Amino acid sequence: EPEVTQTPSHQVTQMGQEVILRCVPISNHLYFYWYRQILGQKVEFLVSFYNNEISEKSEIFDDQFSVERPDGSNFTLKIRSTKLEDSAMYFCASSGRRSSYEQYFGPGTRLTVT
Amino acid sequence: DAKTTQPPSMDCAEGRAANLPCNHSTISGNEYVYWYRQIHSQGPQYIIHGLKNNETNEMASLIITEDRKSSTLILPHATLRDTAVYYCIVSLGGSARQLTFGSGTQLTVLP
Repeated sequence: EPEVTQTPSHQVTQMGQEVILRCVPISNHLYFYWYRQILGQKVEFLVSFYNNEISEKSEIFDDQFSVERPDGSNFTLKIRSTKLEDSAMYFCASSGRRSSYEQYFGPGTRLTVT
Repeated sequence: DAKTTQPPSMDCAEGRAANLPCNHSTISGNEYVYWYRQIHSQGPQYIIHGLKNNETNEMASLIITEDRKSSTLILPHATLRDTAVYYCIVSLGGSARQLTFGSGTQLTVLP
């Protein structure tokens, strides 16, 4: 069964550094998402992406964040100048046709900012 | 998106049906009810969704009241692997829609 994959599974970085989290969505999917979950808290939406453009973004997704689909398979989240409060699990998700209501989530990348 | 209310935790005996309730009294006519679950900090997993009618798939059944102000997710024969946090989410349909997760219900299936 096709699945969303994410790399790395765990990323440790120092405050102020830039990180790139990578995702490979399901191959025929057209819509891509990033969510995050701070330890012990709710899953929060960050951004959705379709046709090489951001469709929706939350208040969390400020200028520190950017997303890109650099090729036909990868979808990346870049966090510039990381802060301690960026420590969280970051989940990538994808969904298919316009009528698809199901978002398929990856296993997540645990980001630790020290 | 309409707000949902779920009990924080529930237990269920293995092999029995698990019935998870959700209140969404402010749901609007074009909003769907979605259920996802999250097993121990893994990525959330889609379970089922519905608009007005009851729905069933290989994982679960979804019962939506006639006034659409509440719904129940039914896992017909719960197993230990169904222990997870279950989220009831109300959202407009279609792709590229953000999902707004609440606190969910921690379901513990007991042996």
